Amino acid sequence: GQQVMQIPQYQHVQEGEDFTTYCNSSTTLSNIQWYKQRPGGHPVFLIQLVKSGEVKKQKRLTFQFGEAKKNSSLHITATQTTDVGTYFCAGQAAGNKLTFGGGTRVLVKP
Amino acid sequence: NAGVMQNPRHLVRRRGQEARLRCSPMKGHSHVYWYRQLPEEGLKFMVYLQKENIIDESGMPKERFSAEFPKEGPSILRIQQVVRGDSAAYFCASSPQTGGSGANVLTFGAGSRLTVL
Repeated sequence: GQQVMQIPQYQHVQEGEDFTTYCNSSTTLSNIQWYKQRPGGHPVFLIQLVKSGEVKKQKRLTFQFGEAKKNSSLHITATQTTDVGTYFCAGQAAGNKLTFGGGTRVLVKP
Repeated sequence: NAGVMQNPRHLVRRRGQEARLRCSPMKGHSHVYWYRQLPEEGLKFMVYLQKENIIDESGMPKERFSAEFPKEGPSILRIQQVVRGDSAAYFCASSPQTGGSGANVLTFGAGSRLTVL
């Protein structure tokens, strides 16, 4: 079945620094979504990417969908303490359910 | 506009008891999904339902677990004869549509945290 892998599993970042988290699917996707889950909270939808090579920005967050539609990345610039949480990617192959990656847990050092 | 409502938020059961978790989707959403999350782990798909129909239950354990989404009322995830390994957070999510490119964005509830003693 479809598998979605995320690396790294944990990301320790100094406040103000940049980092990138990566998402890889075993199958070609029709779209990929990103969610954020704060500690003790529930996943909240951030963005959806549909087109090959698509890049979208939300303030300090930049999301990219690979040309082959099998991978994606999330880059955060100038990390802040409000960025703490787990970032999940979720891939959907045509007609199938969303499959979530294992998440990248982001810890910010002030 | 209320979001996805789950109850109870916390549930404690002893081994062998039954757990019932309820989920009311967002207004206008007709698709419900259940996910399980263990501490420090990802979201594991369990089941996808529409009103009165189970569409995909490929993530449901074969025994003790069942789900329904009746014509009236919330979706219910039922776990019979709970064991300690069932302790987890169970998240419900809903969407207005599914299938095809660009669809299927999920809105999650706050989750139900089950503890089995």
